Amino acid sequence: IVLTQSPATLSLSPGERATLSCRASQSVTNYLGWYQQKPGQAPRLLIYDASRRATGIPARFSGSGSGTDFTLTISSLEPEDFAVYFCQQRSNWRTFGQGTKLEIK
Amino acid sequence: QVQLQESGPGLVKPSQTLSLTCTVSGSSISSGSYYWSWIRQLPGKGLEWIGHIYHSGGSYYNPSLKSRVSMSIDTSKNQFSLSLSSVTAADTAVYYCGAAPNANYYDYWGQGTLVPVSS
Repeated sequence: IVLTQSPATLSLSPGERATLSCRASQSVTNYLGWYQQKPGQAPRLLIYDASRRATGIPARFSGSGSGTDFTLTISSLEPEDFAVYFCQQRSNWRTFGQGTKLEIK
Repeated sequence: QVQLQESGPGLVKPSQTLSLTCTVSGSSISSGSYYWSWIRQLPGKGLEWIGHIYHSGGSYYNPSLKSRVSMSIDTSKNQFSLSLSSVTAADTAVYYCGAAPNANYYDYWGQGTLVPVSS
C-alpha cells in the first residue's frame, strides 16, 4: 500500500492551524498512524488508528479519516511543532508516507 | 520506559552483510509485550519498514527485502539483531530499531545509526 502525503512542504506561522493529508492507494480502514520527526531525532508517535492520541500527546494534535483519506490537524501551532510528519499504515504489512515538512513562514 | 540502542559497524562494503544489534532496557524481550522491529530511513527520504520479530522467534519481513533479511533474538542479552545480505549503495540509510505493541505502531525507537555502504 502506497501512502501519498501532501503537501510536501507547508509554511505556516505559530498560532496558525495546520492541516496535513495522507492518501492511501487502497483502503486501510482506520489503521493509520502519524509520527513527528525533528532533525537528528527518531520519529515520535502522535496518533494511532486514525484518531487516537498516543500517550502524552497534546490535545492540539488530532487525526481524522478512514478508508483512503486521512488528515492530521494541529489546531494552533507551537514553535516546537515545526518538524517533518509521516503517516504509517498497518493494514497490509507496514508502509510509511514520504513526509510533510512543516516549516516556519 | 523502554529504551533501545542500536550498535554495529560504521561502514559496510558492497556485497557484504550488514549486521546490527539493538539492546533493550526497561523491558524484557521475552515478556511478549512488544514486537521488536527494524526500520530504515534512506537519505533525504521517507521511512521503510524492514520487519519485526517476536520473543518466540516468529518474524515478518518486508516482501521487497525478504530474500536478504534475517532477524534474531537473544533473550539472555535482551537484544535482537538484523542481518541484511548482499548490500549495495542503495542500502545506505539510518537504521532504527523500534518496539511496537501488537506490531502495529512504534511507541519506542532507538536513536538510529547511519550505515553507509561504500567500498
